[in-house]
Amino acid sequence: DQQVKQNSPSLSVQEGRISILNCDYTNSMFDYFLWYKKYPAEGPTFLISISSIKDKNEDGRFTVFLNKSAKHLSLHIVPSQPGDSAVYFCAARDSGAGSYQLTFGKGTKLSVIP
Amino acid sequence: DTEVTQTPKHLVMGMTNKKSLKCEQHMGHRAMYWYKQKAKKPPELMFVYSYEKLSINESVPSRFSPECPNSSLLNLHLHALQPEDSALYLCASSSGQGSLETQYFGPGTRLLVL
Repeated sequence: DQQVKQNSPSLSVQEGRISILNCDYTNSMFDYFLWYKKYPAEGPTFLISISSIKDKNEDGRFTVFLNKSAKHLSLHIVPSQPGDSAVYFCAARDSGAGSYQLTFGKGTKLSVIP
Repeated sequence: DTEVTQTPKHLVMGMTNKKSLKCEQHMGHRAMYWYKQKAKKPPELMFVYSYEKLSINESVPSRFSPECPNSSLLNLHLHALQPEDSALYLCASSSGQGSLETQYFGPGTRLLVL
């Protein structure tokens, strides 16, 4: 059973417009959420995170929104740039489980068209 | 500085070879991880070391043998691998000291087993 779901395998956006990547989760014990960006044959790069006590976190062009009641989070990138083209993974953690394990979604491939 | 380094970047080995992957971080992190990632899939957790002790082994075959010589280093010893073990092997680290932990990934070792 997939506890973190990214239902859109791919997304295409025009340069300068907003990219919105979505993530849903089923485990209500998740309390920390992270977004990673990954280029082919490279390791994931940490982008931004949010704890469950917040509903928004912003860092430059990147904003993550968390809707706990809907068990949904989204990553907004504005304005989108061609260098943002990559696979984006949503990840979640249950801190109370006593382990550091992250549960990853399957990823969304973002293509930003110049 | 959030750098995790991994060597080698690429590795080709036969099924009878013995090789080792190396990972290093100098962020003072006390938790270190090995992940395996196949193409178009999310990273899969293999092992977690916490304060230099193995805390999680996700039922990984014994042909993979982790080692944590000190708090900055993590090795993965490989022996008698199978072609299906070909993948990107990722190392990550986190502080190991709090609930809102962020894992930082290295660039990975691209392994090909012939």
